[in-house]
Amino acid sequence: DTAVSQTPKYLVTQMGNDKSIKCEQNLGHDTMYWYKQDSKKFLKIMFSYNNKELIINETVPNRFSPKSPDKAHLNLHINSLELGDSAVYFCASSQGGGTGYTFGSGTRLTVV
Amino acid sequence: GEDVEQSLFLSVREGDSSVINCTYTDSSSTYLYWYKQEPGAGLQLLTYIFSNMDMKQDQRLTVLLNKKDKHLSLRIADTQTGDSAIYFCAESFTDKLIFGTGTRLQVFP
Repeated sequence: DTAVSQTPKYLVTQMGNDKSIKCEQNLGHDTMYWYKQDSKKFLKIMFSYNNKELIINETVPNRFSPKSPDKAHLNLHINSLELGDSAVYFCASSQGGGTGYTFGSGTRLTVV
Repeated sequence: GEDVEQSLFLSVREGDSSVINCTYTDSSSTYLYWYKQEPGAGLQLLTYIFSNMDMKQDQRLTVLLNKKDKHLSLRIADTQTGDSAIYFCAESFTDKLIFGTGTRLQVFP
């Protein structure tokens, strides 16, 4: 199946822990993104990578560190998790040119 | 600036038309999009419109764009219970999508 896939789908962890979310796309897209959706359903971009290079970093705390080993993967590592990090994190990819973005099904992170 | 506004809720009877509205601020956006999010699911691209178009129709969906007023709307004809979801408009802005606040559409029988 051609898609954007993220793992895990659910993540429950304690404050202070470090966790990672993985994302892979097999669409051949050049650009990948991380978006955060809060409890009010607001969606906000966090990061964007184009061909493994960081192009957007939207005032995200430096506890969040994206890593792109190749253009098909964009992982998100979060250090010292806080309660306010609880949200749904969506990975997406696009080829540009107005074709829209393809989103993964999301990772629901709950920090307790 | 980057600000995309939508009304938060819309409730319609099954079989009626739904109209979801959106206002955006960046007049240089090349494309505008509508996404659908069902409960517990990801974002599904419904349709998009190029900024030099006024209207686009795709089966039950009609998108209207008023560039002068920076207003975008999505009309769903013959709304079904399966259309109940949150609908997001989005504008493309310097290599990223800026999403609206989302409109929760509830369809009742």
